Amino acid sequence: QVQLVQSGAEVKKPGASVKVSCKASGYTFTSYYMHWVRQAPGQGLEWMGIINPSGGSTSYAQKFQGRVTMTRDTSTSTVYMELSSLRSEDTAVYYCARVRSSHPPDAFDIWGQGTMVTVSS
Amino acid sequence: DIQMTQSPSSVSASVGDRVTITCRASQGISSWLAWYQQKPGKAPKLLIYAASSLQSGVPSRFSGSGSGTDFTLTISSLQPEDFATYYCQQANSFPPSFGQGTRLEIK
Repeated sequence: QVQLVQSGAEVKKPGASVKVSCKASGYTFTSYYMHWVRQAPGQGLEWMGIINPSGGSTSYAQKFQGRVTMTRDTSTSTVYMELSSLRSEDTAVYYCARVRSSHPPDAFDIWGQGTMVTVSS
Repeated sequence: DIQMTQSPSSVSASVGDRVTITCRASQGISSWLAWYQQKPGKAPKLLIYAASSLQSGVPSRFSGSGSGTDFTLTISSLQPEDFATYYCQQANSFPPSFGQGTRLEIK
């Protein structure tokens, strides 16, 4: 079945970097854009950016410009999200989510299970 | 950027009730609007896309309507499994943006 499986929980110190993976299966990896969305504890959903798994092009939210990098590996159908210069406010669950159509900002029909990233000294 | 505002922020209802949640966009987004359901500790689940299209596998008691700037999600007869938080998302342009969420609680 179509699914996205993310890497496990991470605990990082302030100033460090974290890299979260999201492995796709059950569909043609290069045919659907992938987004990253995060959710701080008890808070709402925040869009971080998008990657085109076909060509690797990316677009990031202004808030994360310069700190986030999204990449993909077509040989393993995996996308990655790396966030650097971590601070306590980055403590959140990070989700990858597939776009349902060829319209890049369209609804997200498949979500990963989420990866909890905790930033603490 | 397009701002999305949901109302109410929370609502209490009983099993069998009809519930409506509203979402307003700060500018017109045609029908590029999605609704999600999220339960504690779980990823969001797509319910409605293109304002009124039901995602495969979603019960027909969920429906969406609206276009332009004003949208609604209606649950026709609440079931115990529907108590959750609901989010709208504008899917018209970048950056995609979400409403702040509506928590649906048991009365």
